Amino acid sequence: DAGITQSPRHKVTETGTPVTLRCHQTENHRYMYWYRQDPGHGLRLIHYSYGVKDTDKGEVSDGYSVSRSKTEDFLLTLESATSSQTSVYFCAISEEVPYGYTFGSGTRLTVV
Amino acid sequence: RKEVEQDPGPFNVPEGATVAFNCTYSNSASQSFFWYRQDCRKEPKLLMSVYSSGNEDGRFTAQLNRASQYISLLIRDSKLSDSATYLCVVNRNNQGGKLIFGQGTELSVKP
Repeated sequence: DAGITQSPRHKVTETGTPVTLRCHQTENHRYMYWYRQDPGHGLRLIHYSYGVKDTDKGEVSDGYSVSRSKTEDFLLTLESATSSQTSVYFCAISEEVPYGYTFGSGTRLTVV
Repeated sequence: RKEVEQDPGPFNVPEGATVAFNCTYSNSASQSFFWYRQDCRKEPKLLMSVYSSGNEDGRFTAQLNRASQYISLLIRDSKLSDSATYLCVVNRNNQGGKLIFGQGTELSVKP
């Protein structure tokens, strides 16, 4: 399997606090993605990156920011966590378009 | 209307049964197609790509009908281990390779 790890695996945080999730890959893949998965909505794209310092918004980007200062790391920040951001967050990597993705194991985030 | 639509199921079938999942997509610009499998509380994993000519991988057969914007997955001789949620996925290659996921179809294979 591709080398992709997410941290933390689980997190509980309070409303209004900033939270950063990390995605780390050892495959040197160009593309990296952050999705959230919620019942009734499936997987929805938050942000993605097509290279170092090159990022763009997905369909549910409000309240989230990202950074990619190195090929291997893609950080997702919830600027001020809200209960609606309680979700499972998946990072994914892709070598090239139009190949499929490899997903990380996910981060379960609970905002209380 | 969602861009990728699937019957959410659940499909409850006995071991050994043949089961088919269907998926429709609305954006004719979609160029690549996949089926992913997701086990409960796990990450999605690529099951197979879907090609215009149709393709087979063991007990799994995927087909694509571009004219009708329709994708299918057929599982023959179902195993207990096939129980999972199956996600239909399309890629609009002209938009940075972003994959668009259907909500998934849940399959439960019973003894």
